[in-house]
Amino acid sequence: AQSVSQHNHHVILSEAASLELGCNYSYGGTVNLFWYVQYPGQHLQLLLKYFSGDPLVKGIKGFEAEFIKSKFSFNLRKPSVQWSDTAEYFCAASGGSYIPTFGRGTSLIVHP
Amino acid sequence: KAGVTQTPRYLIKTRGQQVTLSCSPISGHRSVSWYQQTPGQGLQFLFEYFSETQRNKGNFPGRFSGRQFSNSRSEMNVSTLELGDSALYLCASSLAGAPTDTQYFGPGTRLTVL
Repeated sequence: AQSVSQHNHHVILSEAASLELGCNYSYGGTVNLFWYVQYPGQHLQLLLKYFSGDPLVKGIKGFEAEFIKSKFSFNLRKPSVQWSDTAEYFCAASGGSYIPTFGRGTSLIVHP
Repeated sequence: KAGVTQTPRYLIKTRGQQVTLSCSPISGHRSVSWYQQTPGQGLQFLFEYFSETQRNKGNFPGRFSGRQFSNSRSEMNVSTLELGDSALYLCASSLAGAPTDTQYFGPGTRLTVL
């Protein structure tokens, strides 16, 4: 069965620390990968997505993610977090059919 | 451009009742998807509509149904409500619902079943 796993459920960092959130997927064949973010009181919104080409994808607000096919991973990174990055982060994947699968989410708290 | 809107934002029902939730997609978007979000299960895909046809369906019982109108607005219906149906129901729209399309989410409808 297709699945998406996010290893860290809760992450607490201080401002300026580096961030890496893990995401592993289990999909056969073609896979499209996404990271979404939900800031407090706001809608889910897309951070970045990968479906082909350069495995290093850059998104909004300084975030990036690297697709490593051999490891079935799509980890999210940011070199220096800010207090405003406090949010819930969701990794998602879709294959040849439309139906997307979301991870359980990672809650990130950044202390000023 | 107006975003995805969902009504109502909050709803309280009792077991056995039925409920209808509404979603208006971004203008020009023809695909509407519905998700159920709970703390225990995370975000789970319910179904997707495109041009008034249900094109994809997740693993939910038949009590969950939906439809899409010619203006792409969509409704979701849950009959014979159970306590476990308490959740945040999210609607997302995209241009054509292709696997690579970006989905734009609405604020959700918080359903509480007592």
